[in-house]
Amino acid sequence: DAGITQSPRYKITETGRQVTLMCHQTWSHSYMFWYRQDLGHGLRLIYYSAAADITDKGEVPDGYVVSRSKTENFPLTLESATRSQTSVYFCASSVDTGREKLFFGSGTQLSVL
Amino acid sequence: GQQLNQSPQSMFIQEGEDVSMNCTSSSIFNTWLWYKQDPGEGPVLLIALYKAGELTSNGRLTAQFGITRKDSFLNISASIPSDVGIYFCAGRLYAGNNRKLIWGLGTSLAVNP
Repeated sequence: DAGITQSPRYKITETGRQVTLMCHQTWSHSYMFWYRQDLGHGLRLIYYSAAADITDKGEVPDGYVVSRSKTENFPLTLESATRSQTSVYFCASSVDTGREKLFFGSGTQLSVL
Repeated sequence: GQQLNQSPQSMFIQEGEDVSMNCTSSSIFNTWLWYKQDPGEGPVLLIALYKAGELTSNGRLTAQFGITRKDSFLNISASIPSDVGIYFCAGRLYAGNNRKLIWGLGTSLAVNP
């Protein structure tokens, strides 16, 4: 099925471990985004990418690393997970002209114990 | 950082009732967007607004871009059980090259059949 897919859907990890969340889109959209969703904070932008090999920080980038070697993939890595990174993570994509129209994946629910 | 004030925070209504929610800010926006998030899924774009005063419909949903550019409204007519979810507003600031979206905290809607 075409669209944007995230994996895994659920992940439990321990403090200090490295975790990578995957995001894959089949539309060839230039822009991709990572958000986290927390109660009371809504959606907060972690990182975004305008094209392959171009990434930029969002509002809450600390503790996260991204890469974009191919247009269709935008993995998010937590280098050393902390409990405060327990959250639901959403990947999104958009076409060049109009980054406002975001298409979201179904999310990854991450628990850091 | 910039914030959007979205109200009400939550609503519990009877099936068939009309619903109104809004988003306000002290800043001027040149784009307003309304998204809906179903339980366990990512947000989905409902309506995009680009001009002050613009009124746009999508089925039973109608949204308006406030004439002051500082607010937007979403109305749902004759609610049905599948309208349940969280409704988010998002806006892009009217400020040069600033293309980052600002998100509201959402309005949670429950519909009693």
